[in-house]
Amino acid sequence: KNEVEQSPQNLTAQEGEFITINCSYSVGISALHWLQQHPGGGIVSLFMLSSGKKKHGRLIATINIQEKHSSLHITASHPRDSAVYICAVDGYGGSQGNLIFGKGTKLSVKP
Amino acid sequence: EAQVTQNPRYLITVTGKKLTVTCSQNMNHEYMSWYRQDPGLGLRQIYYSMNVEVTDKGDVPEGYKVSRKEKRNFPLILESPSPNQTSLYFCASRYRYGNSPLHFGNGTRLTVT
Repeated sequence: KNEVEQSPQNLTAQEGEFITINCSYSVGISALHWLQQHPGGGIVSLFMLSSGKKKHGRLIATINIQEKHSSLHITASHPRDSAVYICAVDGYGGSQGNLIFGKGTKLSVKP
Repeated sequence: EAQVTQNPRYLITVTGKKLTVTCSQNMNHEYMSWYRQDPGLGLRQIYYSMNVEVTDKGDVPEGYKVSRKEKRNFPLILESPSPNQTSLYFCASRYRYGNSPLHFGNGTRLTVT
């Protein structure tokens, strides 16, 4: 069983739709990262969460530590949001710094 | 400009020929780390370093070496590369404590024939 599970694996949306990507994990963590990777390969950090909720523009990330679950929401999606979104958890205590990644969610937003 | 610089961007080599991929950051970050990315497997951590002279194994350390002699540099060494190390490699850094996001290099695409 993977320690970090993302769903869905692939997602196609129409421009303007509200999008949710989910991440569940089974290990204790110190923080959770949401990353974005566009075609061509570069990786950008979107959020780092240890509790609650963060918002940046049209992106919102939430985490529920008790349920070991995080969601990334995109409001009013746009074709430029098309990318792979990756969830990563950072270990706890002596494992802090040891990152485990989900396999990613490939998002395609059609105009 | 704050950045993580990896070199080279592309590298083709032959089995057994030692190589080094360099990673340098100018943000005074304590934490640096190496990852490989493979189709179907996603990103996996190779090694990480929480500070100078401190390194730890990630999930896939076999066949790789690292060193952290100074804060800004964290080279990845393949002493005897093999074809199964053909992959896309990323270096990243962040501050050790607090809510610190990861900063990634642009990646190194390595092919071992």
